[in-house]
Amino acid sequence: GAGVSQTPSNKVTEKGKYVELRCDPISGHTALYWYRQSLGQGPEFLIYFQGTGAADDSGLPNDRFFAVRPEGSVSTLKIQRTERGDSAVYLCASSLRGGAATGELFFGEGSRLTVL
Amino acid sequence: KQEVTQIPAALSVPEGENLVLNCSFTDSAIYNLQWFRQDPGKGLTSLLLIQSSQREQTSGRLNASLDKSSGRSTLYIAASQPGDSATYLCAPGSYNTDKLIFGTGTRLQVFP
Repeated sequence: GAGVSQTPSNKVTEKGKYVELRCDPISGHTALYWYRQSLGQGPEFLIYFQGTGAADDSGLPNDRFFAVRPEGSVSTLKIQRTERGDSAVYLCASSLRGGAATGELFFGEGSRLTVL
Repeated sequence: KQEVTQIPAALSVPEGENLVLNCSFTDSAIYNLQWFRQDPGKGLTSLLLIQSSQREQTSGRLNASLDKSSGRSTLYIAASQPGDSATYLCAPGSYNTDKLIFGTGTRLQVFP
């Protein structure tokens, strides 16, 4: 596609439910990042994929959060047993290359998650 | 551990003014630094990417400079316009980590 696509754009769920957020990066981009942004804050790193593998998942807050990228393209961020504190905008970004060769980073519009 | 600070946190100016936004970072072992713009409720849009070997980068009315050794970058906006109103974020890419660390941004409002 022309840009990074994220779905859904908005998700409202109840505490304790399971949620999946999808990211479709720019075609050919090997590096994919997930960030979380709370109101008034900068994006907070969650996980970075290089191809199919998670090169750095040190930002995942706990084991309720998991992300996959099975074919090196689309990625899904999965949140189990959601809590009210998970409410935030989840941003996905992709880059042609990652690590020390990372070039321009392209972001999607984000998925706004609200946990009631 | 990379830490990024942006000053000022907020800025409100009349249109036509020339502006300076500051970004400082603690780990100077960087390969590049990016400046982004974020409109309310939207994702981030890349404005400028400066490689570590460069001193500055220009795009239209925007000019970003980089002083890697002192851990500073500056975004200069010339002849500001109301359409420039947004939050501006910087993110240095560090050799010591694969993840980009963001500052909390400068919220800019340019009024007519």
